[in-house]
Amino acid sequence: TQLLEQSPQFLSIQEGENLTVYCNSSSVFSSLQWYRQEPGEGPVLLVTVVTGGEVKKLKRLTFQFGDARKDSSLHITAAQPGDTGLYLCAGALSQTGANNLFFGTGTRLTVIP
Amino acid sequence: DTAVSQTPKYLVTQMGNDKSIKCEQNLGHDTMYWYKQDSKKFLKIMFSYNNKELIINETVPNRFSPKSPDKAHLNLHINSLELGDSAVYFCASSSSSYNSPLHFGNGTRLTVT
Repeated sequence: TQLLEQSPQFLSIQEGENLTVYCNSSSVFSSLQWYRQEPGEGPVLLVTVVTGGEVKKLKRLTFQFGDARKDSSLHITAAQPGDTGLYLCAGALSQTGANNLFFGTGTRLTVIP
Repeated sequence: DTAVSQTPKYLVTQMGNDKSIKCEQNLGHDTMYWYKQDSKKFLKIMFSYNNKELIINETVPNRFSPKSPDKAHLNLHINSLELGDSAVYFCASSSSSYNSPLHFGNGTRLTVT
């Protein structure tokens, strides 16, 4: 069992559709980050959320941190082929000490033109 | 200019061999990491160095030894390679500030035959 479970694991949708990716845990995180990874490259940070209930928007992407800071969601509106990639959530368990991020199990998104 | 660069990009070797992966960052970060991504795309931290000092050492076989000659470099040496070591290894860096994002290299795909 992984610390952070993402669902769905795979998602294939048509261009223009909306989708939501979930990141869940039984642990409380001091912050949570979302990354996107494309084939042959390393993950790239999309957003960091730190406050329970926080909502951040990045163009068509909306990120929410759960009130209890145990879960997060990523909603994409009107998905584009350029949104295709592996989406990873990553949680930090401590505010001090090492920047030890635990990554989620990943959601592989394919947007079909 | 590449922020985090790791070499080689691909590494194919036989069981029992010893190999090294090099990583360099030009972002001025004081913390560097090695992550392993398995075939299911799960990303797990192996080591973290802050100012050349080891601060995270997850459960990793002793055959894996990181070396940090200076703040900008963190190399990974692997002895007596095994089939199960086949994976993509990512180097990353960040500042030591709370919630700092990780900047990843493009990975080294290691295949042990």
